[in-house]
Amino acid sequence: DVQMTQSLSYLAASPGESVSISCKASKSISNYLAWYQQKPGEAYKLLIYSGSTLQSGTPSRFSGSGSGTDFTLTIRSLEPEDFGLYYCQQYYEKPYTFGAGTKLELK
Amino acid sequence: EVQLQESGPGLVKPSQSLSLTCSVTGYSITSNYWGWIRKFPGNKMEWMGYISYSGSTSYNPSLKSRISITRDTSKNQFFLQLNSVTTEDTATYYCARLRRGYVMDAWGQGASVTVSS
Repeated sequence: DVQMTQSLSYLAASPGESVSISCKASKSISNYLAWYQQKPGEAYKLLIYSGSTLQSGTPSRFSGSGSGTDFTLTIRSLEPEDFGLYYCQQYYEKPYTFGAGTKLELK
Repeated sequence: EVQLQESGPGLVKPSQSLSLTCSVTGYSITSNYWGWIRKFPGNKMEWMGYISYSGSTSYNPSLKSRISITRDTSKNQFFLQLNSVTTEDTATYYCARLRRGYVMDAWGQGASVTVSS
């Protein structure tokens, strides 16, 4: 299986700041990578797919980059509603696998 | 707007079967792909499998022959059955729509299932 590593399990930031969350695949997955957001009491939300394509409804302050094995989710000018749990997921091959998650908390 | 809702027992005894239902509104399950994902205590996520618009299935090999995903198109529901459960199957179970079988673009709220005697 492709192992997905999110090196930061926890990240603290303040509204207005910019943050980056990294995700590394154990083998090249081209750009077959998605990012999800989960907030308490809410359904998971698909933010980005194909490494950098914003899902409809995702604010433009979110961006994704990377290809191959290294990927980054960047959030510019954090809003209060951005705090939550973020996961990367590869869909290059089955079984699809997820990173361990990065919790973005208010500093 | 598509909406998904999981339902089923919150407590299952070891060695028994876990059965969950996902009810879908606003979109027909005869289109696209429909799957199950679970989140363990500690936040680890696992893709379990899906059923396609045609009824074909794909499963995570780690679940071997324990898993079955079926559907009832007349009720616009699909189902998860996981056999011979152990305490390691304690998790929150999510149903989701998988766009073209790849990314989960709509999710249910999740159903917490505890395996315990």
